[in-house]
Amino acid sequence: LAKTTQPISMDSYEGQEVNITCSHNNIATNDYITWYQQFPSQGPRFIIQGYKTKVTNEVASLFIPADRKSSTLSLPRVSLSDTAVYYCLVGDTRGYQKVTFGTGTKLQVIP
Amino acid sequence: DAGVIQSPRHEVTEMGQEVTLRCKPISGHNSLFWYRQTMMRGLELLIYFNNNVPIDDSGMPEDRFSAKMPNASFSTLKIQPSEPRDSAVYFCASSPRTGSGNTIYFGEGSWLTVV
Repeated sequence: LAKTTQPISMDSYEGQEVNITCSHNNIATNDYITWYQQFPSQGPRFIIQGYKTKVTNEVASLFIPADRKSSTLSLPRVSLSDTAVYYCLVGDTRGYQKVTFGTGTKLQVIP
Repeated sequence: DAGVIQSPRHEVTEMGQEVTLRCKPISGHNSLFWYRQTMMRGLELLIYFNNNVPIDDSGMPEDRFSAKMPNASFSTLKIQPSEPRDSAVYFCASSPRTGSGNTIYFGEGSWLTVV
């Protein structure tokens, strides 16, 4: 399972765009990149998933360069309610694999 | 659709008592996971099942912990005897398929305090 590295914490002011980068140098050919968001007192929830280039949904965008050794989660115009921990996971959609979460990035949005 | 359902949501118990946490995965999902989360250790995978069969239990801390999945719609995590260091939030999650690249859906967690 490819190891991921993310910043431990980030601060941002309301209304700004936030970019959280995740490094996954050992990503395998069949691996997908998935981001989860965890609010205090709740379980993590899926935000976005991608394989290459760019993916966008109503919550965020995910940018993946051609070499796929990193990915960037982009949150447009954050609000206080985006304060959460964001986890980056890399894994295949097949087979039996442990689904392990790293330390994630704690995003604090400041008024 | 109902999500992953866990019970109890909160439990306070005395050291030495048996604790049973319950989980109902999303219907049709064939993978089920138990996680434990603490401030110190983050989110730890304890065990996961596929088609009701335990695939990997290497994350189970010790013999005091056991997990079962008697059918596709129910799983339990049992701690006997419980200790104060077991205090944590225990999450159950399910996924439609195996493979860590598949989306995992978490329950709201069971908050356990052992005094």
